[in-house]
Order: sequence, then C-alpha cells, then structure tokens
Amino acid sequence: AQSVTQLGSHVSVSEGALVLLRCNYSSSVPPYLFWYVQYPNQGLQLLLKYTTGATLVKGINGFEAEFKKSETSFHLTKPSAHMSDAAEYFCAVFTGGGNKLTFGTGTQLKVEL
Amino acid sequence: SQTIHQWPATLVQPVGSPLSLECTVEGTSNPNLYWYRQAAGRGLQLLFYSIGIGQISSEVPQNLSASRPQDRQFILSSKKLLLSDSGFYLCAWSNRGARLSNSPLHFGNGTRLTVT
Repeated sequence: AQSVTQLGSHVSVSEGALVLLRCNYSSSVPPYLFWYVQYPNQGLQLLLKYTTGATLVKGINGFEAEFKKSETSFHLTKPSAHMSDAAEYFCAVFTGGGNKLTFGTGTQLKVEL
Repeated sequence: SQTIHQWPATLVQPVGSPLSLECTVEGTSNPNLYWYRQAAGRGLQLLFYSIGIGQISSEVPQNLSASRPQDRQFILSSKKLLLSDSGFYLCAWSNRGARLSNSPLHFGNGTRLTVT
C-alpha cells in the first residue's frame, strides 16, 4: 500500500531563509504525490502535485517540490520564507483503489523574524 | 465556480449525545465526496467516501456513519458520541470520473468538534 512519511512535525525558520519540508513515500507503483497547506482553523489547499513528466514541480506561493525516485522523496522547498507561510503542510499520495488520498502526519512551519 | 460548505464551524457536545455534521457542494455535479478527521499529531484520517447517492464506503470501524441523501450533500452522524470523537472534521470533494491524480481534493473549512 502507498504511504508517505513526513520527517519533522515542527520546523522553524527565519524570515527570508530557505524552507525545506521533507516527505518520503512508499509505493509499489509510480506514485502521484501532492502537497497541501492548512492555515489555522481552515481546510486544506492544494500547493502542488506530481503526476507524470517533469520531476520539478512548481506550485503556488513560490513553493516547489522535486520528485526523486532514487531517494523515494518529494521534499517541499521555498527559497525565501515569508511570515505568511506559517501553516501546517501535508504531503499526500494517491491511493489508486477507491480514488483516495493518504496523508502524512503533517509538518507545522513556524517563521520567525 | 465550485464551493463547499460545512456547518457548524464549531460544536461542543456531551458524551452520549447524537451528532450531525453537514456538507454541501455547489457548482459541480456528481462529485466524489469525502469525510476526513484530523486529530492532533495524527494527520488526516479518511473516514468515509462516496462516489454517488447512497454509495458510502467506510474506511475505519468507528462510532460514526455517513449518508448521502442528495448528489451534493454528505452528512456525518453518530447516535452516541464518545470522548474520542473529538477532532477537526473536514469534508472534501473531487470531480467524478477524474482520478485524483488529475483532480485534486477541494476541502471545506472544517468543523471543530469537542466532546465533553
């Protein structure tokens, strides 16, 4: 079965610093991978997705992620953190049976001045 | 444009009381519908999903049930709440006939349920 593991439940960066949120996947078939963002007391919003094709995927708000099959990773990055990036981020993998997404446990990003 | 509505936004209920959370999608037809629960430190757990009226799949055995009386309405219920039912409940939809690889989930703003 497909699954994702997010390393680090809490990440803290300074404003203007690089953001790196880690996600590793486990899948017996080529995975479809997603990153979602959740602001406090709100639903989740899609940041970006990888299905096929280019392994470097660009999303909204300056985020991007690179699919690395050799490392079974799909880490989320942003060159320069902004205060408004403070939120919880979820990695997810498409579970083909039943058209479902399986989510990781989330990483809370804190941005400090 | 498509919109998804969940209500209420917050709810405090005593143990043993019934529950009914409602989710409605507008601006799309025949959506796939989902109920997720988010508990602190545990990420999102898929509870139920539905591909059509009256068609409900349950992902985990629990104290909850779901129903889809209309195409764009998805209801989460319980006859008797437990303390462990506390959490943040999220409804979501995706396009029917499109795989999630190409059609993302769209989430409502959630209902925070506290069982006391």
